[in-house]
Amino acid sequence: DVKVTQSSRYLVKRTGEKVFLECVQDMDHENMFWYRQDPGLGLRLIYFSYDVKMKEKGDIPEGYSVSREKKERFSLILESASTNQTSMYLCASSAGGADTQYFGPGTRLTVL
Amino acid sequence: GENVEQHPSTLSVQEGDSAVIKCTYSDSASNYFPWYKQELGKGPQLIIDIRSNVGEKKDQRIAVTLNKTAKHFSLHITETQPEDSAVYFCAARGSTSNTGKLIFGQGTTLQVKP
Repeated sequence: DVKVTQSSRYLVKRTGEKVFLECVQDMDHENMFWYRQDPGLGLRLIYFSYDVKMKEKGDIPEGYSVSREKKERFSLILESASTNQTSMYLCASSAGGADTQYFGPGTRLTVL
Repeated sequence: GENVEQHPSTLSVQEGDSAVIKCTYSDSASNYFPWYKQELGKGPQLIIDIRSNVGEKKDQRIAVTLNKTAKHFSLHITETQPEDSAVYFCAARGSTSNTGKLIFGQGTTLQVKP
């Protein structure tokens, strides 16, 4: 079974803090994705990566950056957290050329 | 840009009834349409998908239909059970995507009452 794990289920940070969200997949997938989930807005793509050290902006990249130094790990970075970044963050992965995305359980981030 | 609209946002049915969730997409070149189910406290999981060369696909109690002309697709759940209660997301793969990038709908919260 594909397993996607995220470093924290719940996280509380202060405005202005630098925040790291980590995601690890164990199936040697080429593609990895970061989404945020907000009520009434569905899943919105922040960034994705189709290879190590490669990244592409999604639909809402402002205020975020990412890092993919190893194939299995994809990190989302909030350089200076703001209250409007309070949300559920979901990581997903998929094999190169395959359609199915496998999601982690999510990290609920609260920025005070 | 590419867009997927999903309705209704909430749906409540009695156990045993059918449930239908509808989505429309904007990119006429989209060719892949998955449905994901998200149970409480979990990430979304693929339950069924359809490609643009097929009009309908069934898997036990769930089915998906696609109308390419009208650019809409629907999820049908028959004989609903309490364990079908979840948030359901439709998605479409944009025509320019070669990395599996999906555009998701807003989600539908389905409640099945025992």
